[in-house]
Order: sequence, then C-alpha cells, then structure tokens
Amino acid sequence: KQEVTQIPAALSVPEGENLVLNCSFTDSAIYNLQWFRQDPGKGLTSLLLIQSSQREQTSGRLNASLDKSSGRSTLYIAASQPGDSATYLCAVNKREAAGNKLTFGGGTRVLVKP
Amino acid sequence: EAGVTQFPSHSVIEKGQTVTLRCDPISGHDNLYWYRRVMGKEIKFLLHFVKESKQDESGMPNNRFLAERTGGTYSTLKVQPAELEDSGVYFCASSPLAPSGANVLTFGAGSRLTVL
Repeated sequence: KQEVTQIPAALSVPEGENLVLNCSFTDSAIYNLQWFRQDPGKGLTSLLLIQSSQREQTSGRLNASLDKSSGRSTLYIAASQPGDSATYLCAVNKREAAGNKLTFGGGTRVLVKP
Repeated sequence: EAGVTQFPSHSVIEKGQTVTLRCDPISGHDNLYWYRRVMGKEIKFLLHFVKESKQDESGMPNNRFLAERTGGTYSTLKVQPAELEDSGVYFCASSPLAPSGANVLTFGAGSRLTVL
C-alpha cells in the first residue's frame, strides 16, 4: 500500500528565503508525481507534474525533483514571496491505474513573512 | 474557461440525514474524480468516472455513499444516512480523456460537509 509523507508539516520563512519541501513515498512503482498548492477555501492547483521517467520539472521559481528509486521528491521555491503562503501537497499516481488515482501526502503549510 | 464547480460549498446536517453534493466538471472533460479529506487525514480517492461509467470505485467507504454521473456531464455524490465520521471536505476533479497519467487534474474548491 502506497504511503506518502510530507515533512515538515509546517514551515515559516522570511521573504526572500528559498523554500525546500520534501515528499517521500513507499512504493516506487509510480506513474507520475504531482505537486499541488491549496489556498484556504480554494481547490487544489496543480503546480508541477513529473513523469516517472523524468528527474525534474521547472516552472518559473519552482523546481521539483524526483528520485524514484529512493522514493523522494523535493519542491524548491526560489526567493519566496508572501504570496507563496499556502499548503503544498504532493501526490503520487499509481502505476497501471486507468486514470489519476492519486495518493496524497498530508501537506506542508507554508508561511512566508514579509 | 469555467473551472470545476462544486456545490454546496458548505453543508451542515444532522446525523442520519441525507446530503447530496454536486460537481460540474470542465466542459468536455470525460474523466471525473471524487476525493475527500476528513479531519486530520490526507486527501483520499473515492471514485473515478469515465463519462457516465464508474471506472474505479474502490475508494468508496461503504454503501451509504452513492455516486452518479447520468449523461456523463455533472456528477452527484449522495450520503445516506450521514454519520459523524463523514464530516470533511469532498473534492471533485476532472480531466480530459488522454493517455493514462499524462493529464493534469483540475480540482474544484470542495464541498465541506459537517455532520452533527
């Protein structure tokens, strides 16, 4: 059974500092891994999707790496801004699934202080 | 384009009552998913529709939950009778029909259910 863990559960940094969010999963037979952002009272916004064959994906200030063999992914957010404050969720997509049957981690709640 | 719409945004009911949650996916999205997050736990998969057919309902907790997607457009999730442990946020997500795993889900804002 796939388990996804995100550490730390909460993180507070001053504006401008780089953010490093960690995600680990127990079963390396994944199809892809996604990072989401959730703002209070809002839905989940997909940030980055990494296919199992890829090692990283980048979008603007965001970079996500994937080490499937060790069951780890890291989301880096460069030069954090107060607008980056949100909960970040990692989710793995089970291999051979007919669709996106995601297993989520508990999330990391990020606060960027001005 | 309009996003995934869910309503109600919040529902408060008594134990034993019935609640129906609705999800309107993005137009043209054949894949529709229901997920939920109960207090203190991770978001968990409930079921997956492809058009009007249930592709995978392995995450449905018990037979008090009934999901439908008549006509392959909007979907409803009915909880009858509701129990205290059903409280949580129910998310709907949709995506176009594409190679498995390649597409990105668009999530709705969720429907918060409180059972008293």
